[in-house]
Amino acid sequence: EDKVVQSPLSLVVHEGDTVTLNCSYEVTNFRSLLWYKQEKKAPTFLFMLTSSGIEKKSGRLSSILDKKELFSILNITATQTGDSAIYLCARGGSNYKLTFGKGTLLTVNP
Amino acid sequence: DTGVSQDPRHKITKRGQNVTFRCDPISEHNRLYWYRQTLGQGPEFLTYFQNEAQLEKSRLLSDRFSAERPKGSFSTLEIQRTEQGDSAMYLCASRGWTEKETQYFGPGTRLLVL
Repeated sequence: EDKVVQSPLSLVVHEGDTVTLNCSYEVTNFRSLLWYKQEKKAPTFLFMLTSSGIEKKSGRLSSILDKKELFSILNITATQTGDSAIYLCARGGSNYKLTFGKGTLLTVNP
Repeated sequence: DTGVSQDPRHKITKRGQNVTFRCDPISEHNRLYWYRQTLGQGPEFLTYFQNEAQLEKSRLLSDRFSAERPKGSFSTLEIQRTEQGDSAMYLCASRGWTEKETQYFGPGTRLLVL
């Protein structure tokens, strides 16, 4: 069975802190690793990673993939209350369908 | 707005009734996916269309569920004889042709079966 495991499942931090979210996956039919942010609505796309060791960056968010160790991390620096959300990791497999982890619930307190 | 759209956004129904949801993908996207998300879980894959062809179905998609994409544009997902366990958010996503494309999600249809 395809599995994507995210950790931690929940995290509470203060504004300004840096957080690292983890995602490990199984390799079967691997095509890509994606990160989404979900507030009280549908997931919004953050990053797609296909190559190992290449960091993708967007403002205070960055992500990197390690295809040898089968994991990815999502970093958020200088967190803001607006970063509070569920962060979903997904593995793209056959037909590019996505297998999601359970998500990490991030709460950023002022 | 040229994103993925879904209709309705919310649906409340009684157990045993049939419901149908619609998804309009991004216009140039030929690949369309349906997912289901319950509380505390990530979205789970239900089915996949490439143009009008339904190429993959999850074992989650019981006989009561059927999906179509008759002209390769919009898609419908029908649930017959709804059960309380069908209560969930039903998400549609679309994707274009190339390797470097990603999936973009619609706002979802939240179904509550009483």
